[in-house]
Amino acid sequence: DAGVTQSPTHLIKTRGQHVTLRCSPISGHKSVSWYQQVLGQGPQFIFQYYEKEERGRGNFPDRFSARQFPNYSSELNVNALLLGDSALYLCASSLRLLDTGELFFGEGSRLTVL
Amino acid sequence: GENVEQHPSTLSVQEGDSAVIKCTYSDSASNYFPWYKQELGKRPQLIIDIRSNVGEKKDQRIAVTLNKTAKHFSLHITETQPEDSAVYFCAARRFNASKLTFGTGTRLQVTL
Repeated sequence: DAGVTQSPTHLIKTRGQHVTLRCSPISGHKSVSWYQQVLGQGPQFIFQYYEKEERGRGNFPDRFSARQFPNYSSELNVNALLLGDSALYLCASSLRLLDTGELFFGEGSRLTVL
Repeated sequence: GENVEQHPSTLSVQEGDSAVIKCTYSDSASNYFPWYKQELGKRPQLIIDIRSNVGEKKDQRIAVTLNKTAKHFSLHITETQPEDSAVYFCAARRFNASKLTFGTGTRLQVTL
């Protein structure tokens, strides 16, 4: 079985641009979460989606948005990019909404904002 | 909200020695505590986890202990090997949520 897949793996943007990151969860997993990992720090929770609905939001500005599709894949969108948005964006999937046990992470999308 | 502190930030041990990484958490409603290993440029991978109804869990050379009263938990790696070199993250999750709150990470270097 394929694990969590993310695309693109690397991308470079300039300040003010927009970016869309994509994630496909493990087959059968209905919950997708997004985390931001700035270099040298632990991952920070951005969003969780379950059954196409937002079920949790971290302390991130409204420039960050996401959605989940009927096939449970997900997109993370970031508008008006800032230098500080440079990070590894991790997608994680799990079977259930709550008390989900292990989170399975993808390899991430490394975003560089110049 | 939940806050997880992790120490030390870097740890260097000789091959065969033990390594201990400690974390404290703030939310007494947290009931799930996983540990992730992240190699350079790779995704975090779960190596062991513990729930609040047990005090210790072992898996070969890796063990985790939990002290609910003190709100701290620790990762113990025995007989360290060079392939154990990586960044290790502790995390905590409260009982009615799926969000993980991570510590700041410990860079473990196992030297020959």
